[in-house]
Amino acid sequence: DQQVKQNSPSLSVQEGRISILNCDYTNSMFDYFLWYKKYPAEGPTFLISISSIKDKNEDGRFTVFLNKSAKHLSLHIVPSQPGDSAVYFCAGIIFQGGSEKLVFGKGTKLTVNP
Amino acid sequence: EAGVTQSPTHLIKTRGQQATLRCSPISGHTSVYWYQQALGLGLQFLLWYDEGEERNRGNFPPRFSGRQFPNYSSELNVNALELEDSALYLCASSLVGNPTYEQYFGPGTRLTVT
Repeated sequence: DQQVKQNSPSLSVQEGRISILNCDYTNSMFDYFLWYKKYPAEGPTFLISISSIKDKNEDGRFTVFLNKSAKHLSLHIVPSQPGDSAVYFCAGIIFQGGSEKLVFGKGTKLTVNP
Repeated sequence: EAGVTQSPTHLIKTRGQQATLRCSPISGHTSVYWYQQALGLGLQFLLWYDEGEERNRGNFPPRFSGRQFPNYSSELNVNALELEDSALYLCASSLVGNPTYEQYFGPGTRLTVT
């Protein structure tokens, strides 16, 4: 049972436009959500996070929106740049009994065309 | 500051053998996480070590094991290798207590089982 779903395996946008990457989850117990970016042959790099008690977090060109009622979060990149081309992973964290469980989605490959 | 390092970069084994993968966390980080990224499956959580103890374990068989040393480096051991164990194995470290639970990933070890 996949608790974190990224239903779009790929997304292509033009440079300068907005990129919107979506993520859905099934477990309402997630406490935090994170986005990671991964270039080929490199490990994922932390991008931005959001607590489940918030609905928006912004960091420069990156904004994450959380809609708890819909169990949906999205990452907005504005404006998109060719260097943003990478695979983006959404992840949820559940804190349970002193330990944490981190669940990743399968990723969405973003291509930003010059 | 040095990032998370992993060795070896590539590892080729035959079915039934054992594989040992190594990870050195960022200096000052006490938590080490192991993930498997198999083709089409995204990032699957394997193990979490903190202060030398196993804190949490993903849904993997017991032949996947590991340990964390006093210097916080870690080993992942995979016994009785199977063809489907072929994957990229990523190690990540974090500073326990960081409320965003940022994990910093290494470049990974590509394990190929023939």
